[in-house]
Amino acid sequence: GAVVSQHPSWVICKSGTSVKIECRSLDFQATTMFWYRQFPKQSLMLMATSNEGSKATYEQGVEKDKFLINHASLTLSTLTVTSAHPEDSSFYICSARPTTRAGELFFGEGSRLTVL
Amino acid sequence: GQNIDQPTEMTATEGAIVQINCTYQTSGFNGLFWYQQHAGEAPTFLSYNVLDGLEEKGRFSSFLSRSKGYSYLLLKELQMKDSASYLCAVSSFTGGFKTIFGAGTRLFVKA
Repeated sequence: GAVVSQHPSWVICKSGTSVKIECRSLDFQATTMFWYRQFPKQSLMLMATSNEGSKATYEQGVEKDKFLINHASLTLSTLTVTSAHPEDSSFYICSARPTTRAGELFFGEGSRLTVL
Repeated sequence: GQNIDQPTEMTATEGAIVQINCTYQTSGFNGLFWYQQHAGEAPTFLSYNVLDGLEEKGRFSSFLSRSKGYSYLLLKELQMKDSASYLCAVSSFTGGFKTIFGAGTRLFVKA
């Protein structure tokens, strides 16, 4: 099956610092990747759609200057949480849609961010 | 926009059968997913339906009716390890391809 690797799995940082999370599709190419966040006992909320070689599309209410998304290649998308604050503490999960299998979606393991 | 509804919680007994329903409203429908998620972990894929009917995969089956905007996930021979959240997610082409998740149904399997 298709594998999506997300790194780091856990990160603790101080308030005001920036954190980068990587999402890689290991055995397939993904034109489109998605970034979600999940608060405890809540469902996944789509933050943005990351398209290879173009700007990300952000959902309403998501600050694009705070959550920087880069999709420089067909196998890598990054999410940078800039000037992180405690309220940004959450579980961030990426997913990737294979270029050759449009109906499928594969998830990374998730990254738990804690901002002190 | 999209609207996805599923029950918040369900409880069932080990060895039994449980059906988790999901209703949705969307335009540009491109398929419906079911995922299982244990606490603190990422979702794992269970099923994908794009055509009407029943898809069976071992102890898990998923049904879709596009005209009714309705799907269900059927779990047979329940095991304790099936206690988890089950997420219904709908893909659509409206405003670009995206997949939106329902709030999830927390299933508790008791002995």
